[in-house]
Amino acid sequence: KNEVEQSPQNLTAQEEEFITINCSYSVGISALHWLQQHPGGGIVSLFMLSSGKKKHGRLIATINIQEKHSSLHITASHPRDSAVYICAVNTGTASKLTFGTGTRLQVTL
Amino acid sequence: DAGVIQSPRHEVTEMGQEVTLRCKPISGHNSLFWYRQTMMRGLELLIYFNNNVPIDDSGMPEDRFSAKMPNASFSTLKIQPSEPRDSAVYFCASSYWYEQYFGPGTRLTVT
Repeated sequence: KNEVEQSPQNLTAQEEEFITINCSYSVGISALHWLQQHPGGGIVSLFMLSSGKKKHGRLIATINIQEKHSSLHITASHPRDSAVYICAVNTGTASKLTFGTGTRLQVTL
Repeated sequence: DAGVIQSPRHEVTEMGQEVTLRCKPISGHNSLFWYRQTMMRGLELLIYFNNNVPIDDSGMPEDRFSAKMPNASFSTLKIQPSEPRDSAVYFCASSYWYEQYFGPGTRLTVT
């Protein structure tokens, strides 16, 4: 079993839909990251969080430390949000990341 | 800052040849990471350095892979000899604390 699990693996949504991607982890963490990767593109860090909630534009990330669970929400989705979203965690004091397998999001008109 | 810089962006080579990938981290960052991404296995950490010292190389697949960081502004990942199964996108990332900044990646094709 992977230490970091994401769901769903694939997600298709229509423009303007509210989207939720989930991440569960089985180890103690010091921080959790949400990353975005467009097709053929580089990897961009969207959020780093260790508690509570963060918001950036239409993106919201939440984390529940007790339940070892995080969610990434996209409000009013747009085709340009189509990408792979990756959850990753830092464990202990180590700065290295352990990655989930990613969620491939396709937003259609 | 220009961000993390990787070169080359694309590399096509024949099996058995030596391949060297290069990375320049963001100035002031003290950790550097090399990752490999494939369709089958996703993102995998190969090795990471802290203050130019290798901390964890447990992800390096075999002795054909080696990495160096001679100073705070430069690192190399070398594959010798290369094999078709090494074909992947190789990312370099740097960080000062927990948040990592990724380079654009090098797409390696070994024929």
